[in-house]
Amino acid sequence: DIQMTQSPSSLSASVGDRVTITCRASQGINNYLAWFQQKPGKAPKSLIYAASSLQSGVPSKFSGSGSGTDFTLTISSLQPEDFATYYCQQYNNYPLTFGGGTKVEIK
Amino acid sequence: EVQLVESGGGLVQPGGSLRLSCAASGFTFSSNDMTWVRQAPGKGLEWFSAISASGGSTYYANSVKGRFTISRDNSKNTLYLQMNSLKAEDTAVYYCAKGRRPIDYWGQGTLVTVSS
Repeated sequence: DIQMTQSPSSLSASVGDRVTITCRASQGINNYLAWFQQKPGKAPKSLIYAASSLQSGVPSKFSGSGSGTDFTLTISSLQPEDFATYYCQQYNNYPLTFGGGTKVEIK
Repeated sequence: EVQLVESGGGLVQPGGSLRLSCAASGFTFSSNDMTWVRQAPGKGLEWFSAISASGGSTYYANSVKGRFTISRDNSKNTLYLQMNSLKAEDTAVYYCAKGRRPIDYWGQGTLVTVSS
């Protein structure tokens, strides 16, 4: 199985900060990577697919990059509604696997 | 508007069975692959099953293979998950999701608790 490692596992940031989350795959996954946002007690929301394509309705402050094994999710200017846990998922090989999550908290 | 509404969760004893349903609306269900993802209390997301649009291809994680069965009824716009031989470690919120590679929309989830 492909292991997905996210870093950091948590971070504290202020409103207006630029935040970057990293996701590393244990083997190459081309660009078959998605990012999801989950707020406490809520269902996940899809943000990005194919490493860098925004899902419909997702604001452009979210961006993704990377290919192969190393990927990043960047939030350009953190807003109060962005405090949540973020997960990456590879969909190159079965079983599809998620990263362990990155919790973004208010500083 | 895409809507996915799961139902059928609840409390079940170890070794028991449960069938989850996911009612879909707002898109052409029969043209879309579907996925089940679960989340144990306080833990991360776990992909465990998916099905092609026609239902002809199914996919499972080893953790549920042989115990869970994914299926769909395109005439009823409904996705199903039959869960047998349930274990305590199957306790989780179960989400259905539209899409397979990748997922684009999620349901609100239904809680399954396996306990005596």
